Amino acid sequence: DVKVTQSSRYLVKRTGEKVFLECVQDMDHENMFWYRQDPGLGLRLIYFSYDVKMKEKGDIPEGYSVSREKKERFSLILESASTNQTSMYLCASSHDRGRETQYFGPGTRLLVL
Amino acid sequence: SQKIEQNSEALNIQEGKTATLTCNYTNYSPAYLQWYRQDPGRGPVFLLLIRENEKEKRKERLKVTFDTTLKQSLFHITASQPADSATYLCALTNDYKLSFGAGTTVTVRA
Repeated sequence: DVKVTQSSRYLVKRTGEKVFLECVQDMDHENMFWYRQDPGLGLRLIYFSYDVKMKEKGDIPEGYSVSREKKERFSLILESASTNQTSMYLCASSHDRGRETQYFGPGTRLLVL
Repeated sequence: SQKIEQNSEALNIQEGKTATLTCNYTNYSPAYLQWYRQDPGRGPVFLLLIRENEKEKRKERLKVTFDTTLKQSLFHITASQPADSATYLCALTNDYKLSFGAGTTVTVRA
């Protein structure tokens, strides 16, 4: 069965802290994505990666960076967390570039105080 | 500017009735359109994909239509059940990425 896991379900951090969110998929997918989801705004793409060590900016990359050192793992980094980064963060993976389905992790609800 | 609009934020229906959700888009030319289901506190789960050259797709009690002239997709849940209560998201292929609507929350009353 397809599986995407995220390192934490809930996270509370202080303003200015460096935050790491990790995502692991066991499907040997080439493509991995990070979204944030806020009420009324839907899912917005932060960064995505089509291969190891490759990354591309999504629609809202400001304040975030990513790392993909291994095919199965895609990390989202908040260099200096701010309160407006309080959100639900969702990781996804897919085999094909946007055409096939994306498989999502359970999400990490991040609160920045 | 590009926009994906789902008809309403919330839809309340009686068990056994058909729920119809709308997804309208502007300034996109998607080759594919997908529908996902999301339960509270969970990640979205894929339901159906329809290609631009397909008019209709069915899966059990679900039916999706795709009208590229109207730039609209309709998502139907027939014989709805309380277990169908969830938020439903439409997503368009956009330059090899997916762009999502904000979702419609469906509540099915027993």
